[in-house]
Amino acid sequence: GAVVSQHPSRVICKSGTSVKIECRSLDFQATTMFWYRQFPKQSLMLMATSNEGSKATYEQGVEKDKFLINHASLTLSTLTVTSAHPEDSSFYICSARDIDRKNYGYTFGSGTRLTVV
Amino acid sequence: ILNVEQSPQSLHVQEGDSTNFTCSFPSSNFYALHWYRWETAKSPEALFVMTLNGDEKKKGRISATLNTKEGYSYLYIKGSQPEDSATYLCAFLSGYSTLTFGKGTMLLVSP
Repeated sequence: GAVVSQHPSRVICKSGTSVKIECRSLDFQATTMFWYRQFPKQSLMLMATSNEGSKATYEQGVEKDKFLINHASLTLSTLTVTSAHPEDSSFYICSARDIDRKNYGYTFGSGTRLTVV
Repeated sequence: ILNVEQSPQSLHVQEGDSTNFTCSFPSSNFYALHWYRWETAKSPEALFVMTLNGDEKKKGRISATLNTKEGYSYLYIKGSQPEDSATYLCAFLSGYSTLTFGKGTMLLVSP
């Protein structure tokens, strides 16, 4: 089945530094990748939609200059949290849809737990 | 902002018990309703994608129903097993093609 590999699974960084999270679709082409964030006891919240070869679409309230998304190929999307602050500590997870398996739902990465100290 | 509500928030049952959870969602601009199973430290796994009012889907001991007119879906687990312990997420897909998730129902099945 469709697999999305997400790295790293955990990262601790110092305040002010940047962190890059990668999501790769291993056995299908993901023209669109979705990036979510989840705070404790909250829902997965869509941050942005990443489209291969074009600019990402950000949800209201998400700073595009802080959360840089690059989707340079059909199998790789990256989210870079720039100048991270403790309030950016959260769980970040990506998902993509295999268009050839559209009735099977979205395929998710395993998530990244970011802690900013 | 679309509102997707799941209840209960958590549930603890004994092995062999049958259980069900509820997902309520907007009844307008409906495209699909997804159910996912999310085990700790793993990726959410798609269980069902439901698109038609009155849909009933089944996978082993797990089944789901859909009522798009009143905006709810039920997920049933028959004869729960410890390996069913997970968080069950529902997500509403609107015509705008973005998934809106509920907070999930955390199920714990004790042997």
